[in-house]
Amino acid sequence: EAQVTQNPRYLITVTGKKLTVTCSQNMNHEYMSWYRQDPGLGLRQIYYSMNVEVTDKGDVPEGYKVSRKEKRNFPLILESPSPNQTSLYFCASGHREGVDTQYFGPGTRLTVL
Amino acid sequence: SQKIEQNSEALNIQEGKTATLTCNYTNYSPAYLQWYRQDPGRGPVFLLLIRENEKEKRKERLKVTFDTTLKQSLFHITASQPADSATYLCALYTGGFKTIFGAGTRLFVKA
Repeated sequence: EAQVTQNPRYLITVTGKKLTVTCSQNMNHEYMSWYRQDPGLGLRQIYYSMNVEVTDKGDVPEGYKVSRKEKRNFPLILESPSPNQTSLYFCASGHREGVDTQYFGPGTRLTVL
Repeated sequence: SQKIEQNSEALNIQEGKTATLTCNYTNYSPAYLQWYRQDPGRGPVFLLLIRENEKEKRKERLKVTFDTTLKQSLFHITASQPADSATYLCALYTGGFKTIFGAGTRLFVKA
């Protein structure tokens, strides 16, 4: 089944404790992206990647890191989480050409205390 | 500043009626516009895409219009059903592999 998977689905952590949210897709997509969703603000793009070893900042990259060492994986790293990073996170993937359709993962609900 | 606006208030309609959702944007010249459906606790699911040179697109009971002069897209669901109840997101591809999403409009269809 074609899908985007994220782990963990739920995470409660404390300020400053490094964490990684994994994202994997099995559709051989070149493009992958991370979003956060907050009430009233919609989805905001954090980082995106057009291919292996190629990443770029979205609209809200502060406090986040990403890497793209393999085509299928695009982990999101929070080196020192803070409470304002409490949010619902989505990973998405799509074909490079035009990025006209994105396939989203199920989401990771992160709470930073 | 660049903005995408969708009706923040929920839309309540009766089953069988046509639901119309609005997406307005400013300061963009998008190559195309997308609509997604999102159910509570789940990721968005792609529904329709319309390009800047297209006026209208249809898929089954769904219809999208795109007016680049008004900077507006309308999303219609005809013969609506309770199963259509969800949040609908408008998204603009602005180039450079970036997509901007609206905050979404919650639709409730009553039986």
